Amino acid sequence: QVQLQESGPGLVKPSETLSLTCTVSGGSISSHSWSWIRQPPGKEREWIGYIYYTGTTKYNPSLKSRVTISVDTSKNQFSLKLTSVTAADTAVYYCARGSGWYPDWGQGTLVTVSS
Amino acid sequence: EIVLTQSPGTLFLSPGERATLSCRASQSVSSSSLAWYQQKPGQAPRVFIYGASSRATGIPDRFSGSGSGTDFTLTISRLEPEDFAVYYCQQYDTSPWTFGQGTKVEIK
Repeated sequence: QVQLQESGPGLVKPSETLSLTCTVSGGSISSHSWSWIRQPPGKEREWIGYIYYTGTTKYNPSLKSRVTISVDTSKNQFSLKLTSVTAADTAVYYCARGSGWYPDWGQGTLVTVSS
Repeated sequence: EIVLTQSPGTLFLSPGERATLSCRASQSVSSSSLAWYQQKPGQAPRVFIYGASSRATGIPDRFSGSGSGTDFTLTISRLEPEDFAVYYCQQYDTSPWTFGQGTKVEIK
């Protein structure tokens, strides 16, 4: 079973860029697709987007203008960048394996947007 | 986008009882592209059902998924103590993929 672990700052200032990394262990990143999902406090989970190991991406249209997902096969990691954040981007952010349904998830990391 | 509405919000049951969780979609989910996840506090979500009715690896057969179109059901035939948790449905047929708000199965 693949293990995933999110890492990155827990606090980001408004208008700045949120950056998170997901480290994959127990398997190669070069054989699957990889996703980011978030859950704001008290709200439903929201799919952010996914990337294939080849670099092909698909994003949620509501976030597409601000999101970039990238993969670093040499480090077995993939990353999320979300620009121009506001308080509405405060959420638990999860990384997961898959592009449709998700057989493996990270534990999630809380990112708070606040000055 | 497809809105998934789960019901009930909370289900109070005793071990050994049958649990029936509903997930209703605002429009048809074709190809049965629907999954169910369990989540317990402080733990990562865990997939139980994908493709509407296929059990994920290691999931006991007391869990079953059914449905098509706009109505889907997760059934737990006899609740075990470890089954008390929150369950979410998710569709991956039409972008953006969307999740339900969850059903909490609590011990009565």
